[in-house]
Amino acid sequence: NAGVTQTPKFQVLKTGQSMTLQCAQDMNHEYMSWYRQDPGMGLRLIHYSVGAGITDQGEVPNGYNVSRSTTEDFPLRLLSAAPSQTSVYFCASSFTLAASYEQYFGPGTRLTVT
Amino acid sequence: RKEVEQDPGPFNVPEGATVAFNCTYSNSASQSFFWYRQDCRKEPKLLMSVYSSGNEDGRFTAQLNRASQYISLLIRDSKLSDSATYLCAVTRSGSARQLTFGSGTQLTVLP
Repeated sequence: NAGVTQTPKFQVLKTGQSMTLQCAQDMNHEYMSWYRQDPGMGLRLIHYSVGAGITDQGEVPNGYNVSRSTTEDFPLRLLSAAPSQTSVYFCASSFTLAASYEQYFGPGTRLTVT
Repeated sequence: RKEVEQDPGPFNVPEGATVAFNCTYSNSASQSFFWYRQDCRKEPKLLMSVYSSGNEDGRFTAQLNRASQYISLLIRDSKLSDSATYLCAVTRSGSARQLTFGSGTQLTVLP
């Protein structure tokens, strides 16, 4: 089991460029989510999905798109990168979001937008 | 006011000490509560879920106080390996699928 994998680990973008952060899990989890983590701000939910074909917005969705065509994959797209999107991005998955189910996080993608 | 608030610390304690963290949440309808541990430049990992009756796992004890709207984490007999940032997380009211995190409390255990 690889768990939750994310690529790339590091990325530098110029303002206005687009890119996709990849996230995959091999645990057959229904629930997947994307967070960003900034100093002093904790983890903030960007988008989440409760199953293939179903996505919804979190706390800070602006500037990001997601899709969930398979159970395994949940890519995050930055359409036009801005310096405010410089952050560490974590993908997470779980069977469901209940007290007895752990959310597993990927190792993160460190993104810098110049 | 933030939905979930934590004292950022840092807490610097000697090995063997007992240390406690609190986390307050603003929405009384919040349903599920968790403590996560995050090592420097790593991903968060679940430390404990927090149940209404309180729960213990070895040196770690988690408590929930719904009346005062806070959760706590107690670490007894601190080890050097406990040095990390501890994040509390709460499910948002009306949505069991959205988890809101505090900004974390940094703990350093000193030899």
